[in-house]
Amino acid sequence: AAGVIQSPRHLIKEKRETATLKCYPIPRHDTVYWYQQGPGQDPQFLISFYEKMQSDKGSIPDRFSAQQFSDYHSELNMSSLELGDSALYFCASSPGQGAIYEQYFGPGTRLTVT
Amino acid sequence: QKEVEQNSGPLSVPEGAIASLNCTYSDRGSQSFFWYRQYSGKSPELIMFIYSNGDKEDGRFTAQLNKASQYVSLLIRDSQPSDSATYLCAVNGNNAGNMLTFGGGTRLMVKP
Repeated sequence: AAGVIQSPRHLIKEKRETATLKCYPIPRHDTVYWYQQGPGQDPQFLISFYEKMQSDKGSIPDRFSAQQFSDYHSELNMSSLELGDSALYFCASSPGQGAIYEQYFGPGTRLTVT
Repeated sequence: QKEVEQNSGPLSVPEGAIASLNCTYSDRGSQSFFWYRQYSGKSPELIMFIYSNGDKEDGRFTAQLNKASQYVSLLIRDSQPSDSATYLCAVNGNNAGNMLTFGGGTRLMVKP
């Protein structure tokens, strides 16, 4: 079965640079979530989109922005990168917006800021 | 108090035994509950989800939900060494965007 696709899988950036992470949800999934997982920590919710509209916002820094496009893929844009942004970034998708829908996670993008 | 709490472990069980993982949550409005398995450096893999009180079984896995006591558990029967991983409890609370809040995870070790 098709899964969530994320690119790139690994990314190395320097402080103050910008990064763009991409997420392609499972086909026919219209809801996308972004999570950040630091070393030894839980995934932390950043932001979500439903039908191309932002539906919820978590602990996402103002330096980050995201959007969902007409084909439902999503991009997370990160500017003025800091060392503390080094983490695994997961995208998840679900077939609808509602508590009964399960979220399937992609393989993640490992971002290293040096 | 964390919104979702798990014992960090490690929980060590012998191969073939039943592993019991527990999770408590604080928001009574929480609507659905998920168990994810995560191997080190990999993404969370959905194992079970439940939103009605009682038990839900899928193969070797059983999820149990008690909303009155605000806990959810995962039983793994006939544990295998390949089940060794961190198990994350995630709660979809009473929020518009259906964000998941995770517990700290329980590390399970199944010894041959």
